Amino acid sequence: KQEVTQIPAALSVPEGENLVLNCSFTDSAIYNLQWFRQDPGKGLTSLLLIQSSQREQTSGRLNASLDKSSGRSTLYIAASQPGDSATYLCATGANNLFFGTGTRLTVIP
Amino acid sequence: NAGVMQNPRHLVRRRGQEARLRCSPMKGHSHVYWYRQLPEEGLKFMVYLQKENIIDESGMPKERFSAEFPKEGPSILRIQQVVRGDSAAYFCASSQGSQSYEQYFGPGTRLTVT
Repeated sequence: KQEVTQIPAALSVPEGENLVLNCSFTDSAIYNLQWFRQDPGKGLTSLLLIQSSQREQTSGRLNASLDKSSGRSTLYIAASQPGDSATYLCATGANNLFFGTGTRLTVIP
Repeated sequence: NAGVMQNPRHLVRRRGQEARLRCSPMKGHSHVYWYRQLPEEGLKFMVYLQKENIIDESGMPKERFSAEFPKEGPSILRIQQVVRGDSAAYFCASSQGSQSYEQYFGPGTRLTVT
């Protein structure tokens, strides 16, 4: 059974700082890996999807990388803004996604 | 193109009542997934459906829970005889295809059992 872990559980940074969120998974035979953002009391917003054949994906200030051999993915956020404050989740699976417990990010103005 | 829609957004039920949660997938999506997020826990997969078929229900509790995705209309997650432990946020997602396709999530239904 796939297990997904996210470290750190919480992160607080000053505005403008670059930061990295980590995600690790136990089963490297994955189809893809998705990063999501969840605001308090809200649903999930898909940020990036990396197919298993890809190494990274970029969208604006976000860059996600995937290393299947080591069972790791990272989400890099450049020039963080207070609006980036949210919980960031990674998930992987075929049809049934396995989620990490998330990293709660606070960007301090 | 409207996103995944779920209703109601909030639902309050007394113990023993039935809860019906509805999910309309994105236009053009025929694959629907239900997930549950218990308080202070991560999201857990419950069931995967295509039109008129349950493909994977490995995450569904064995009793009181059922799901359907009829040929016409939304997908329904039904919880019979609710208990306090069913209080959670229930999220629906949809995709165009299976396995490597991106899943898009709805805003969720927050069920409170009193």
